[in-house]
Amino acid sequence: GAVVSQHPSRVICKSGTSVKIECRSLDFQATTMFWYRQFPKQSLMLMATSNEGSKATYEQGVEKDKFLINHASLTLSTLTVTSAHPEDSSFYICSAPIQGLGNTIYFGEGSWLTVV
Amino acid sequence: RKEVEQDPGPFNVPEGATVAFNCTYSNSASQSFFWYRQDCRKEPKLLMSVYSSGNEDGRFTAQLNRASQYISLLIRDSKLSDSATYLCVVNRGYSTLTFGKGTMLLVSP
Repeated sequence: GAVVSQHPSRVICKSGTSVKIECRSLDFQATTMFWYRQFPKQSLMLMATSNEGSKATYEQGVEKDKFLINHASLTLSTLTVTSAHPEDSSFYICSAPIQGLGNTIYFGEGSWLTVV
Repeated sequence: RKEVEQDPGPFNVPEGATVAFNCTYSNSASQSFFWYRQDCRKEPKLLMSVYSSGNEDGRFTAQLNRASQYISLLIRDSKLSDSATYLCVVNRGYSTLTFGKGTMLLVSP
């Protein structure tokens, strides 16, 4: 079964609105989670590292004020796409390492965002 | 130079064929290496880790050459169910993964 759960799996929103995506670790604590974005026929690109209890670390070129990340507990990280635009339409996916198991990294099921 | 580069695809092969994927990485300090499989519109799933000594898992064999910064994946006796995109992935540290663009494999009857 899934060890990292992501919700929603699909969302359609209007341009200018905000969308929140949740990433939950199931049965383990994740002090760190990672958010990726994948455009069609492109590789997954790391957007940011989400750190429990502290600020997220964003990759170069990713707007931290547009992609808000909150890691309020050891099992939940959220990504909020603010003032979404059609060019933000993409596949967003989170991952979390399980410490002590060779740091095996598990991915959530991903969230398809379509901004119309 | 991209951090992780893979063969451009797609690879079209008949069932039963042997197919090899190549990957190079630019950061010599990279710590660990993986092959992931991604089906259309799904999340990536770990296929296998890659070790310098080479490792095999059934029909799949992975090799790592640190000196050349080169990683390979060999699939023997291809099945229809092997059709997917294969991602070369490098861990640059602290569980931060860098993905290649992926190579699509299409296995036909």
